[in-house]
Amino acid sequence: GQSLEQPSEVTAVEGAIVQINCTYQTSGFYGLSWYQQHDGGAPTFLSYNGLDGLEETGRFSSFLSRSDSYGYLLLQELQMKDSASYFCAAYNQGGKLIFGQGTELSVKP
Amino acid sequence: EAGVVQSPRYKIIEKKQPVAFWCNPISGHNTLYWYLQNLGQGPELLIRYENEEAVDDSQLPKDRFSAERLKGVDSTLKIQPAELGDSAVYLCASSLAGAHEQYFGPGTRLTVT
Repeated sequence: GQSLEQPSEVTAVEGAIVQINCTYQTSGFYGLSWYQQHDGGAPTFLSYNGLDGLEETGRFSSFLSRSDSYGYLLLQELQMKDSASYFCAAYNQGGKLIFGQGTELSVKP
Repeated sequence: EAGVVQSPRYKIIEKKQPVAFWCNPISGHNTLYWYLQNLGQGPELLIRYENEEAVDDSQLPKDRFSAERLKGVDSTLKIQPAELGDSAVYLCASSLAGAHEQYFGPGTRLTVT
C-alpha cells in the first residue's frame, strides 16, 4: 500500500524552532511536498523536494532522504500565525499526490 | 490573479438527495483535481483531469459520483444520491501540466443529514 506517517500534534512556543517529520511508503516515489492548511482554509503549497537534501524558503526549510524514505519540515522563528495543520504529500511518477494525515501545530505565546 | 474558485462554500442536504459542486481553476492551468477531505485527515484524490480528459478516476466511487470538465476549463462534481458518509469538504485544485505545485480552492463543506 501507499502511506505517509507524521505526528498528529506538535506544540511549540513563539520564536522557537520546530521540526515535523514524515516517513513514507509509496510506489513510484518521485518527490515530497509540504502543504499548510489553516482551520477552514485551503491547503497552501510550501515546498517540494525532488532531490535529497535541504531546500530553504525563508523561515521554512524541507529535507528529503530517499534512502531512508524520510523527510521533514523545519519551521524557524515561529510566529502565532504558523498555528495550522501541515501535510506531507508524496508525489509519484503517475502524477498523483498522496497526503499524510497532517500534523496540527500549536504555537503558544 | 484570481485563485481557484469553488461554489457553493457550504451545502446542507438530506440523504438520498443529489448535490453538485462547481470549480473554476486558475486561468491556463491544464490539470484539475477533485479531492475529498474528512475532518482531521489529509485530502484524498477523487479524480484528476488533464484538459478535458479524466486521467485518474480510480478513487471515484462511480456508483454515485460523477464528474465532468467540458471544454477543459470549469468542472462539476456530482453526488447522486448522497449518503451520510459523504459529509466532508470537497476541494478542487489546479496546476500547470506536470507541475508539482497545486493550487487549492477554499472547498465546499457538505453536510448530509
